[in-house]
Amino acid sequence: GAVVSQHPSWVICKSGTSVKIECRSLDFQATTMFWYRQFPKQSLMLMATSNEGSKATYEQGVEKDKFLINHASLTLSTLTVTSAHPEDSSFYICSAEDRYNSPLHFGNGTRLTVT
Amino acid sequence: AQKVTQAQTEISVVEKEDVTLDCVYETRDTTYYLFWYKQPPSGELVFLIRRNSFDEQNEISGRYSWNFQKSTSSFNFTITASQVVDSAVYFCALSGDRTGFQKLVFGTGTRLLVSP
Repeated sequence: GAVVSQHPSWVICKSGTSVKIECRSLDFQATTMFWYRQFPKQSLMLMATSNEGSKATYEQGVEKDKFLINHASLTLSTLTVTSAHPEDSSFYICSAEDRYNSPLHFGNGTRLTVT
Repeated sequence: AQKVTQAQTEISVVEKEDVTLDCVYETRDTTYYLFWYKQPPSGELVFLIRRNSFDEQNEISGRYSWNFQKSTSSFNFTITASQVVDSAVYFCALSGDRTGFQKLVFGTGTRLLVSP
């Protein structure tokens, strides 16, 4: 079945550094991918919609300059957390749609810890 | 606005008990989808079901069953004869035609603990 791969699974970084998270669709082309954020023991909140070949669409309250999204190909979207701070520590998870109206496929998520 | 309410924060049961997880939603969309996902401790989201708003038939899949009632805006999930492996956080989610079917609004989740 369709698989979405997310890398890395976890990352620890120092405050002020940038971290890049990759989301790949392994056996289908994804024109649209979605990035969610989940704080500990809380729900998932949509951060942005990543569109292949165009700018991402951010949800209200999400800083686009802090969370840079690049969807350069039909199989890869990246989320870069720039100048990370401890409050950015969270679980980030991506999802992708294929073109056959299948349910969304989610990646395994990335746990980011900023020290 | 769309909203999903999972009033049960945490449920504890003993193995082999039946358990129902409640989900109530709000939407102004004419056409919408309802979902259930399972999130085990490892963190990934496991898709369980997607239901179209025009299909109110209940569904059964093994030990899992879902009761969709438009009249009460509910989409409840029942696990029959629960097992320890069912321990996880379960999320109900909603998407609709106004915001796009692929953009999910999640409930706050229900943590299910199944003890031996």
